Amino acid sequence: GAGVSQTPSNKVTEKGKYVELRCDPISGHTALYWYRQSLGQGPEFLIYFQGTGAADDSGLPNDRFFAVRPEGSVSTLKIQRTERGDSAVYLCASSLIAGTANEQFFGPGTRLTVL
Amino acid sequence: AQSVTQPDIHITVSEGASLELRCNYSYGATPYLFWYVQSPGQGLQLLLKYFSGDTLVQGIKGFEAEFKRSQSSFNLRKPSVHWSDAAEYFCAVGANTGTASKLTFGTGTRLQVTL
Repeated sequence: GAGVSQTPSNKVTEKGKYVELRCDPISGHTALYWYRQSLGQGPEFLIYFQGTGAADDSGLPNDRFFAVRPEGSVSTLKIQRTERGDSAVYLCASSLIAGTANEQFFGPGTRLTVL
Repeated sequence: AQSVTQPDIHITVSEGASLELRCNYSYGATPYLFWYVQSPGQGLQLLLKYFSGDTLVQGIKGFEAEFKRSQSSFNLRKPSVHWSDAAEYFCAVGANTGTASKLTFGTGTRLQVTL
């Protein structure tokens, strides 16, 4: 079956602009995760959803970052007033249910470049 | 707080040689431990995981890892490396409580394979 998909694959924007990054999880997966991977670093947790609700948003760096999952499937990560430091690869993952014991399947990521 | 250290940023091995990638973790109890591989343009793929029980775990692609509680380590090994193993490898730790779901990754080890 289809894996996790993310769109766009690349996004270039200017400092101060607003961006939206989309994630389509594996069908039937109730848990969805967002991570950010900066150059030369490992993925860093941002937020995860169980169903429609954000169960843990402790990794969001500040209030410019926001994520939604209104119907419990597709999720959108929204970044307001982008800064050059937001440049990174944003990874989405999904798992059948929440809980670390359940394998997280990762998408290919969206590379965000803020000029 | 949980954390992971991968002391080797870059390792080069000859094809057919053995491989060991180091991982040390910090966690208050017995953690869930993972190794992921990331190839260029590909999403993160789970190689293996440790939850409990036998401290030597087998994974895909001929990889294995050994959990050593006394050393807080979870090193990844492969007896004979293939050129297709060239990639970035990430060790990760997760909480083993309830629905805690976030993974904390190390900074990764880039493996280069010479022919």
